[in-house]
Amino acid sequence: DQQVKQNSPSLSVQEGRISILNCDYTNSMFDYFLWYKKYPAEGPTFLISISSIKDKNEDGRFTVFLNKSAKHLSLHIVPSQPGDSAVYFCVLVYGGATNKLIFGTGTLLAVQP
Amino acid sequence: DTAVSQTPKYLVTQMGNDKSIKCEQNLGHDTMYWYKQDSKKFLKIMFSYNNKELIINETVPNRFSPKSPDKAHLNLHINSLELGDSAVYFCASSQRGAEKLFFGSGTQLSVL
Repeated sequence: DQQVKQNSPSLSVQEGRISILNCDYTNSMFDYFLWYKKYPAEGPTFLISISSIKDKNEDGRFTVFLNKSAKHLSLHIVPSQPGDSAVYFCVLVYGGATNKLIFGTGTLLAVQP
Repeated sequence: DTAVSQTPKYLVTQMGNDKSIKCEQNLGHDTMYWYKQDSKKFLKIMFSYNNKELIINETVPNRFSPKSPDKAHLNLHINSLELGDSAVYFCASSQRGAEKLFFGSGTQLSVL
């Protein structure tokens, strides 16, 4: 049973435009959501997080929005740059100190110059 | 200077063999993890250790045995390898209770 769903396996965006990556979840008992970014042949790297008590978190070009009633979150990247081309994982964190992470399947973002 | 390093990067072996993957972190973190990314690209937790103590053990066959000689190292030993074990295995570390994990670059295991 997939608790974290990223329904778009890929997304292509022009440089300078906005990229919007979406994520839906089923488990309401979570502490945080995270976004991780992964380049080929590398491990995932942490990008941005949002706690369960917030509905928005912004860090430079990256903003994450959380809609708890819809069980939906999204990552906005603006302006998109070619170096943003990577796989983006939506990650649900629960379990307090045991820190259990559930990864979505990822969305491959391609930013065209 | 790599924060979380795992070796080897690639591992090709025959069914039935026993193999190990090593992981080391130089971040001073208390907690280390092993994740498996299968052919469908799902990344799933296998084990988590905090200060050499096992704290998460998901439904993983007994053929997989993690070993943590100290809090900077978490090795993964796999006995009697099967075709279905083929995957990319990622080591990670974090401060205890912290949601931000630092991942190694992965070990691609191919069982023939």
